[in-house]
Amino acid sequence: GAVVSQHPSRVICKSGTSVKIECRSLDFQATTMFWYRQFPKQSLMLMATSNEGSKATYEQGVEKDKFLINHASLTLSTLTVTSAHPEDSSFYICSAPGGRGDTQYFGPGTRLTVL
Amino acid sequence: GENVEQHPSTLSVQEGDSAVIKCTYSDSASNYFPWYKQELGKGPQLIIDIRSNVGEKKDQRIAVTLNKTAKHFSLHITETQPEDSAVYFCAASLGSTLGRLYFGRGTQLTVWP
Repeated sequence: GAVVSQHPSRVICKSGTSVKIECRSLDFQATTMFWYRQFPKQSLMLMATSNEGSKATYEQGVEKDKFLINHASLTLSTLTVTSAHPEDSSFYICSAPGGRGDTQYFGPGTRLTVL
Repeated sequence: GENVEQHPSTLSVQEGDSAVIKCTYSDSASNYFPWYKQELGKGPQLIIDIRSNVGEKKDQRIAVTLNKTAKHFSLHITETQPEDSAVYFCAASLGSTLGRLYFGRGTQLTVWP
């Protein structure tokens, strides 16, 4: 099946700093990728849809200036959490459609801890 | 938008027993229904999916059924094993590349040896 990777798997940063998370489709191209946030014991919350060559589409309530998304190529999307605060601590997961196009494959996730 | 309800939130079964998780959806236009298994600290893993032109799909110990009229679909795991213990999420989408997934709240399945 299609493989999606994320880097880093874990990151700890100080409040006020910025953190970049990479999402890569390893064996297929993805013009669209999705970014989710997941709090403990909760479901996945879609944050934004990343579009190659154009601006990301953000879900209601998600600050686009705080969560910067760049879809640099057909295999790479990045999420930058700017001026991170402790309440941004969460599990961030990306996905990309592969196979028949409607099947979403998820990355392994990135655990962000803001001190 | 689409609303997906998932029940139960927790499920405990004895090893070897069957487990059933049920989901309902609200948008009759949804036509793709995947199920994901998520282990602690990992990303969701697709375990089975079904499209609206099919009523049932089976893959070894896992099966999914879909009732379009009633707008509900279910995951069936037979002969459960301790390694089946995880959180299971159902989802629904319009089934296109741009179609976002709408997730249920998840079911924590625990299989006791």
